[in-house]
Amino acid sequence: SQKIEQNSEALNIQEGKTATLTCNYTNYSPAYLQWYRQDPGRGPVFLLLIRENEKEKRKERLKVTFDTTLKQSLFHITASQPADSATYLCALGGYSSASKIIFGSGTRLSIRP
Amino acid sequence: DTAVSQTPKYLVTQMGNDKSIKCEQNLGHDTMYWYKQDSKKFLKIMFSYNNKELIINETVPNRFSPKSPDKAHLNLHINSLELGDSAVYFCASSLGLPSDEQFFGPGTRLTVL
Repeated sequence: SQKIEQNSEALNIQEGKTATLTCNYTNYSPAYLQWYRQDPGRGPVFLLLIRENEKEKRKERLKVTFDTTLKQSLFHITASQPADSATYLCALGGYSSASKIIFGSGTRLSIRP
Repeated sequence: DTAVSQTPKYLVTQMGNDKSIKCEQNLGHDTMYWYKQDSKKFLKIMFSYNNKELIINETVPNRFSPKSPDKAHLNLHINSLELGDSAVYFCASSLGLPSDEQFFGPGTRLTVL
């Protein structure tokens, strides 16, 4: 069955360092991958989308890579700040309207001052 | 201006009761979704509607019945509530396809006693 795994339950990073989060998947060939941020008690907020034919996407301090051979996406936050502390979810899906999007369980990121 | 709103935010009820959660989006999107997030933070799609038409219906017990009176509203009715239904339910919307950025509501925390 399709499976998404995100790295370790929690990641603690010193402020200013680069945080790297991992999303691995099996038994799936997604057309795209999305990353969302979720704060406690709130709904997820969309951050970035990367398509299967793209290797890398950037947005301000965020960078996402997508390796369809390794079946892995890496999500980087450079110059991390305490305000970046949240849970980050990756999600995979296909293009048709009937394709369901599958979410990982998320990685909780804590940035210490 | 709330983009995707849900009511109620909290719902505490006894086993066997019937309850409804309402969702409205003012973004002009064509597609709306219901997700369930369990205690382990897995976010799983339950239903999606496109222009009031059911597109995705995951393996959800038929005690759960979505209703979309118009494309701006997607309500979720749950019959004969069970302990295992306790979770946070999120409504979301996107422009058209699941690959489009999804906007999530604040969630409804359902507790079944």
